[in-house]
Amino acid sequence: GESVGLHLPTLSVQEGDNSIINCAYSNSASDYFIWYKQESGKGPQFIIDIRSNMDKRQGQRVTVLLNKTVKHLSLQIAATQPGDSAVYFCAESSMDSSYKLIFGSGTRLLVRP
Amino acid sequence: EPEVTQTPSHQVTQMGQEVILRCVPISNHLYFYWYRQILGQKVEFLVSFYNNEISEKSEIFDDQFSVERPDGSNFTLKIRSTKLEDSAMYFCASTQETANEQFFGPGTRLTVL
Repeated sequence: GESVGLHLPTLSVQEGDNSIINCAYSNSASDYFIWYKQESGKGPQFIIDIRSNMDKRQGQRVTVLLNKTVKHLSLQIAATQPGDSAVYFCAESSMDSSYKLIFGSGTRLLVRP
Repeated sequence: EPEVTQTPSHQVTQMGQEVILRCVPISNHLYFYWYRQILGQKVEFLVSFYNNEISEKSEIFDDQFSVERPDGSNFTLKIRSTKLEDSAMYFCASTQETANEQFFGPGTRLTVL
């Protein structure tokens, strides 16, 4: 059968507020990072990426910040909407490991109407 | 918009049986991956594939696992003799170049009884 899952940290925000989801990565050689969104029963969906030569990148309503000194990544979602409710994973990759993705443990975002 | 497809969506099998999970990556992509996700846990890398050979594999990808790209479109994951702990969602992903967004399929839920 299937294993019992780990408890996911949960961020609960009011609709319209900004959300910040944090992630610590492990490999100082990682040079490419992605945030994925996963809704129940679906595959990971790309949100935004950033390379190690940058410390900030903006998309539509989303911003990713990279702090290589402390190996920290964050995802900021502006004006959070009910459709943003999902589990968010950060992933790191590096050239020395064929750019396979190493995923973090995930954060569940709940948006209160 | 092109997408990665996977079949079947759900596969139920008896322990010890062989299963083949199928994926059709995006047509102009060159790098292919399999990941798995045990219920409630993070996504884990299994194997990467490029130029008709395995680029890298994880500890999970033991002798019971194999991958194949039998033609120009399909990418398969075979588990020779399934175990209970193989029960998970299996995701196929593809990308045109390394260090770029990996596009994930919707997954195959494998249940081993």
